[in-house]
Formats: sequence, structure tokens, C-alpha cells
Amino acid sequence: KNEVEQSPQNLTAQEGEFITINCSYSVGISALHWLQQHPGGGIVSLFMLSSGKKKHGRLIATINIQEKHSSLHITASHPRDSAVYICAVKRRGTDKLIFGTGTRLQVFP
Amino acid sequence: NAGVTQTPKFRVLKTGQSMTLLCAQDMNHEYMYWYRQDPGMGLRLIHYSVGEGTTAKGEVPDGYNVSRLKKQNFLLGLESAAPSQTSVYFCASSYGGEPSGQPQHFGDGTRLSIL
Repeated sequence: KNEVEQSPQNLTAQEGEFITINCSYSVGISALHWLQQHPGGGIVSLFMLSSGKKKHGRLIATINIQEKHSSLHITASHPRDSAVYICAVKRRGTDKLIFGTGTRLQVFP
Repeated sequence: NAGVTQTPKFRVLKTGQSMTLLCAQDMNHEYMYWYRQDPGMGLRLIHYSVGEGTTAKGEVPDGYNVSRLKKQNFLLGLESAAPSQTSVYFCASSYGGEPSGQPQHFGDGTRLSIL
């Protein structure tokens, strides 16, 4: 079993829909990252959080440390949000990230 | 501000050839990382460095070597390329140093094919 599991693996949506991507992990962590990988391949860090909730524009990330679960929400989705969203956790006591396999999101007009 | 720059962007090698991938960052980051990304798998750490002159093994270090002679550069070497090393390679850097870490900044990737 992978230490970081994402669901769903693939997601399609109509423009304007509310999107939720989930991440569960099985190790003790000091932080969780959400990353975005565009079709061209570049990877951008969206959020780093260790508790509670963070918001940036239409993106919201939440984490529940007790339940070892995080969600990434996209409000009013747009075709330009189409990308692979990757969850990664920093295992407590290490300098290394453990990555999920990603959720491929396609938003259609 | 260039951020993290990887060269080359694409390369095709024959089995047994050697090559070096270069990663350069201009953000004065202490920590640098090399990952590989394969279909159906998450990014996997090959080697990393927590400062100039230091290197450490990651999850999949076999067949690779690295050097960090200057703070801004992190080199990944393949001594004798094998088809199993066909992958997309990403370099990343961060300030690091805190228990919770810092966001990692990624390069655009190098697509490497070994024939």
C-alpha cells in the first residue's frame, strides 16, 4: 500500500463545477504539499500546510492531521485548471517528500 | 528571475553511454533534489543535497551519481545508461532547514530516452 493515496485518479468536470481532490497518508508528517503539473510538464507548488486551511484565489486546501487526510478544492472550475494535481507529504524527521501518483483533472467548457 | 533551470530539456542516449544533467537555481536555496517521474508512479527521489558539498541518497539512487560543488548547481550523472533509466527527470530546490520544510521550486524537466 502506498504511503500517500490520492482519489480520484481521473476527474472530468464541466466549467463552473466545484472540484474536490482527496489525499490520504499513512505516516507521521510535518507538512503536506499540493502541487500542480500542467500538460507541458512543469510542476508548480500550490500550497504547503501543516494544519487547518489555506486559500489562494479559487483554490482551497484543508488538512485534518488526526484523520491523516487532506482535500484540495477548486471553486468555479475553468478549463485552464486542467492539470495533474499531486499531493506530497514531508515525513516527520526527514527532509524528503513522499508523492502521491496524482489526480488528472480535465475541465470542459 | 529564472528560478530552477534544467539542461538539456530532451536527450536520447544509447545503452551504455554516459551523460550529465545540470540543474541551476538562482534563489540561494540550500536544498536541492533530483527526482524521476514514470507513468503511473509518483515522483521518486534519486539523490538530494542539503548544502554545498553535501549529497545524500534518496529512494532510487542506483545507477546515478550527483555532485554539488557550487551552491547554485546540482549535477546528476548517469555513468552507463540503461533502458530502465528512460524517464522524465525533475530538479527542485528549497530553503529547507525547518521541521516543516519549505515549498520546493521545480525545473521544467528533462525527458531522457535510453535506446
